[in-house]
Amino acid sequence: AQSVTQPDIHITVSEGASLELRCNYSYGATPYLFWYVQSPGQGLQLLLKYFSGDTLVQGIKGFEAEFKRSQSSFNLRKPSVHWSDAAEYFCAVGAGGTSYGKLTFGQGTILTVHP
Amino acid sequence: GAVVSQHPSRVICKSGTSVKIECRSLDFQATTMFWYRQFPKKSLMLMATSNEGSKATYEQGVEKDKFLINHASLTLSTLTVTSAHPEDSSFYICSAGHLNTGELFFGEGSRLTVL
Repeated sequence: AQSVTQPDIHITVSEGASLELRCNYSYGATPYLFWYVQSPGQGLQLLLKYFSGDTLVQGIKGFEAEFKRSQSSFNLRKPSVHWSDAAEYFCAVGAGGTSYGKLTFGQGTILTVHP
Repeated sequence: GAVVSQHPSRVICKSGTSVKIECRSLDFQATTMFWYRQFPKKSLMLMATSNEGSKATYEQGVEKDKFLINHASLTLSTLTVTSAHPEDSSFYICSAGHLNTGELFFGEGSRLTVL
């Protein structure tokens, strides 16, 4: 069975500082990996995804993530955080194929940004 | 971009009543929609996969008689929580797979409170 672990429940950074959110997954084959962001009381917005190819993936809002198969990781990074980035971030893994929409989500990481 | 709309965004009901939540893909067709449930301060858990014109496929542990799913058209899936109880209170989120691109889009979510 596939699983996703986000080790950090809550991270606080200062505006302008760099950010890295950790994500580790467990999956038997090549995973489809996603990062989503959720503002309070809202749905999910896709930041980026990895299916294959270049292991460094660029997303929206200046985010990027790197797929490292050897470490089973897909960490999310941003070089300079803005106050509007405060939200909850979810890493997810999917099987692809006909099960592409059946995602397993991590527990989420809440990001707080100090001015 | 593609939009998925859920209605209602918030609903409060009495215990024992049934509540219907709609998930619509506004500007694209979706053969498959997915229903997730998010408990407070928890991650999202896949409940079921909804396929247009056929019966939904439920995840293990999800009561199909409790959570009725109907996907009558390529743009609409509904989730009906029957005989709701306080423990059914949750945030329900749907996602829709774009018929042509396969990309997933999430709705804004529907918060159900059962008194």
